[in-house]
Amino acid sequence: SQQGEEDPQALSIQEGENATMNCSYKTSINNLQWYRQNSGRGLVHLILIRSNEREKHSGRLRVTLDTSKKSSSLLITASRAADTASYFCAMLLAGADGLTFGKGTHLIIQP
Amino acid sequence: DAGITQSPRHKVTETGTPVTLRCHQTENHRYMYWYRQDPGHGLRLIHYSYGVKDTDKGEVSDGYSVSRSKTEDFLLTLESATSSQTSVYFCAISESGTQYNEQFFGPGTRLTVL
Repeated sequence: SQQGEEDPQALSIQEGENATMNCSYKTSINNLQWYRQNSGRGLVHLILIRSNEREKHSGRLRVTLDTSKKSSSLLITASRAADTASYFCAMLLAGADGLTFGKGTHLIIQP
Repeated sequence: DAGITQSPRHKVTETGTPVTLRCHQTENHRYMYWYRQDPGHGLRLIHYSYGVKDTDKGEVSDGYSVSRSKTEDFLLTLESATSSQTSVYFCAISESGTQYNEQFFGPGTRLTVL
């Protein structure tokens, strides 16, 4: 079964607007990590949030984690054309050793 | 940059041939991983290693084997490649000697099995 689900699958917004992507999971986690992937490229690590944390910031990125709802969100503020990419959440499930990935949100920033 | 390289970066091979992909890291990280990325599936864990000669299976390990004879190298072998193994393969490391920290990924190897 798919452990991680991302919503929406695709998102198109105007440059300067904020973009919010959501991730839900089914079982307990140790941490949750967000990645960006440009088309045909590798994965760039954005933020790690641990199960005992509720919010983390990095530049224009804000990640929240609600373990009671088993969900996380990634907010990109003041979006730029260069933010166009696919964004993945990846969970380290409790007792696991590798990450379990969602299918990703494809974000398009319209100039 | 976590000092991860993968080779080859691209490979085309035929069904039934053996293929070995190499992941090399320069910072002596204990944990190393192999994932594959397919459309509609995100990334899925194939195998991982928690030290020299210490490896274990992931979610999609059938048809793959791994070896780690040195800290810096983690090899993924397809004993007899099949078309279903056409994919992009990513190697990753986990920071600071534990699986509980950030995972950083290599640039990937695009493998096509004809």
